[in-house]
Amino acid sequence: QVQLQESGPGLVKPSQTLSLTCTVSGGSISSGGYYWSWIRQLPGKGLEWIGYIYYSGSTYYSSSLKSRVTISVDTSKNQFSLKLSSVTAADTAVYYCARTMTSPLYYFDYWGQGTLVTVSS
Amino acid sequence: EIVLTQSPATLSLSPGERATLSCRASQTVSNSLAWYQQKPGQAPRLLIYDVSNRATGIPARFSGSGSGTDFTLTISSLEPEDFAVYYCQQRSNWITFGQGTRLEIK
Repeated sequence: QVQLQESGPGLVKPSQTLSLTCTVSGGSISSGGYYWSWIRQLPGKGLEWIGYIYYSGSTYYSSSLKSRVTISVDTSKNQFSLKLSSVTAADTAVYYCARTMTSPLYYFDYWGQGTLVTVSS
Repeated sequence: EIVLTQSPATLSLSPGERATLSCRASQTVSNSLAWYQQKPGQAPRLLIYDVSNRATGIPARFSGSGSGTDFTLTISSLEPEDFAVYYCQQRSNWITFGQGTRLEIK
C-alpha cells in the first residue's frame, strides 16, 4: 500500500521560505500514472490545493499561489518537495502531500498524515 | 474559481439514522465531484469520486448523487465511526474544496 510522509521544519519566520519534503513508500513515483500534490488546510478552515508535479518534472500550480510556489521531484529518493517563498502568518497551516489520480483526473486517493507549519517570528 | 458551498455546516444525528449532506457549486462542474471524510488529527480520505463512484474499500452505506451544480452525499445508516467532517471537491475548473460539513453525534 502506498504511504506518504511529510517532513520539514514546523516553524518558519515571516518572509522566509517554507520547505517540505514528501517521501513516498510502497510505490515508485517514477512508474508514472499519478501526479503528486501538495494541499494545505488553514486553521479551522477548509482545504486548499497548492499544486502538483509529475515524475517527469512537469508542474501545475494554483493561480493564487503560483508566484511563490515551487514543487520539485527527486525520483532517486522517491520524494517530492514544496517550497513556498515570502511566507506570512496567513501561510500557517497543516500541509499535506497526496497522490493525485490521473484517471479520472485530479482526485486524491492517498494522503500523508500532514505536518503543521507555523509562520511566526 | 468555482466555489463549493456545503450545507448544513453541522449536522447532528444518531447512529442508525440516515445522513444527507449537500454540496452546491457556483457553476456547473458536470460530474467532476468527489467527497472526502476527515477525522480529527487525520488526513482526508477519498470516499466518492465522479459523483457516485465509491473509492476502494468504502462501504456501500456511502453513496453520492447529483449533477451540474447540486450534489448529495448520503450515508444510509450511520455507524459510530462515520461521525467526522465531510468535504466535497471539484476538478472541473482548477481544484477547489468546500468548507466542510461536520457530522456530529446527537
